[in-house]
Amino acid sequence: QQQVKQSPQSLIVQKGGISIINCAYENTAFDYFPWYQQFPGKGPALLIAIRPDVSEKKEGRFTISFNKSAKQFSLHIMDSQPGDSATYFCAASRWGPGTYKYIFGTGTRLKVLA
Amino acid sequence: DTEVTQTPKHLVMGMTNKKSLKCEQHMGHRAMYWYKQKAKKPPELMFVYSYEKLSINESVPSRFSPECPNSSLLNLHLHALQPEDSALYLCASSQGSVEADTQYFGPGTRLTVL
Repeated sequence: QQQVKQSPQSLIVQKGGISIINCAYENTAFDYFPWYQQFPGKGPALLIAIRPDVSEKKEGRFTISFNKSAKQFSLHIMDSQPGDSATYFCAASRWGPGTYKYIFGTGTRLKVLA
Repeated sequence: DTEVTQTPKHLVMGMTNKKSLKCEQHMGHRAMYWYKQKAKKPPELMFVYSYEKLSINESVPSRFSPECPNSSLLNLHLHALQPEDSALYLCASSQGSVEADTQYFGPGTRLTVL
């Protein structure tokens, strides 16, 4: 119930194309869904995040689509650039009295070809 | 300033050594975290400090001992580690509330246990 499933494991996209990464969760108590970008040897950096009361959020070239009933959310990267080549992690979190969960997906290695 | 700093960047230690990892943030965040990340895997939550008190310990072996001297500093004391503990150790911080759950990660300490 605490898993976050992420797909695909790896993705190759041409420059200018759209990159789409999907995540699915099981626990409906999760209430915060961020996406992180991680370059080799660096810590993850927050890209964009969404809460369940919103179905879509856009920041620049990055868009999260959220489907509460399906318990799925996805990251769309528009006009993908070679500099976007990195590993992307979705996550789901939940604060509660004496409890805290921050579960990462398994990661997607994105390569954008020039 | 949205920076979390970690020292050292790299650490090599033997199984009988005692060493410490340090993390610092000056964003006024009240929650700080330690994660362990193995190669090509997502970060795994180890410890959560909330308002300088250990609130979550994700069943981490006692050879890892966290410490939060004040609201800006977080240490991870290491003793009698095993080679399988070799990993990237990430520190993160957040405001520490349900409404502001964005975590800011440091660059990590690359630990090698011989």
